[in-house]
Amino acid sequence: DAMVIQNPRYQVTQFGKPVTLSCSQTLNHNVMYWYQQKSSQAPKLLFHYYDKDFNNEADTPDNFQSRRPNTSFCFLDIRSPGLGDAAMYLCATESSGRAYEQYFGPGTRLTVT
Amino acid sequence: AQSVTQPDIHITVSEGASLELRCNYSYGATPYLFWYVQSPGQGLQLLLKYFSGDTLVQGIKGFEAEFKRSQSSFNLRKPSVHWSDAAEYFCAVALSGTYKYIFGTGTRLKVLA
Repeated sequence: DAMVIQNPRYQVTQFGKPVTLSCSQTLNHNVMYWYQQKSSQAPKLLFHYYDKDFNNEADTPDNFQSRRPNTSFCFLDIRSPGLGDAAMYLCATESSGRAYEQYFGPGTRLTVT
Repeated sequence: AQSVTQPDIHITVSEGASLELRCNYSYGATPYLFWYVQSPGQGLQLLLKYFSGDTLVQGIKGFEAEFKRSQSSFNLRKPSVHWSDAAEYFCAVALSGTYKYIFGTGTRLKVLA
């Protein structure tokens, strides 16, 4: 009965090689978030979708992009990963009808070699 | 700028002992405050939240938190810790009217048998 699913759980990519992380949800929530969490640091919001409206945080590098083809799926694309992009990437969902209750996936740990 | 501080990186308590995890925030308006727990290999789970009203809020798993405006604090407490409470705990603030969350760096709880 997983509600927020992230694939893969572990991803290894090479420096500069594009990589895509996937998030899907069975909650039918209209808001989806991507966070970056580096070791021993706070989760940092990269961007969120409110329905199809994309909201980028001001300090999110251009190297990070996102797509949301439908309500259930959201993708994080890293166009040219650097060593500093190695982190845990967390996806979360929220219903605007029940705001401020985020549901998180287990995360994808990205390693850049 | 808005921020969340969790001054304790690690805390160790014995099973059955009481627990208090500290959280301080910096935010100009009345914040929306949250505590999340993250067990190894799992996503963050919402323990409790505070928007307004009674400053002592009850959450899941026997946790409670108290909002103290004068101290800009929102400390998490549990009267008797169980071994299964060993995890990482994150305090967060949401900027009212937005879908923007700011997380603290977390406190890792270790429970001794």
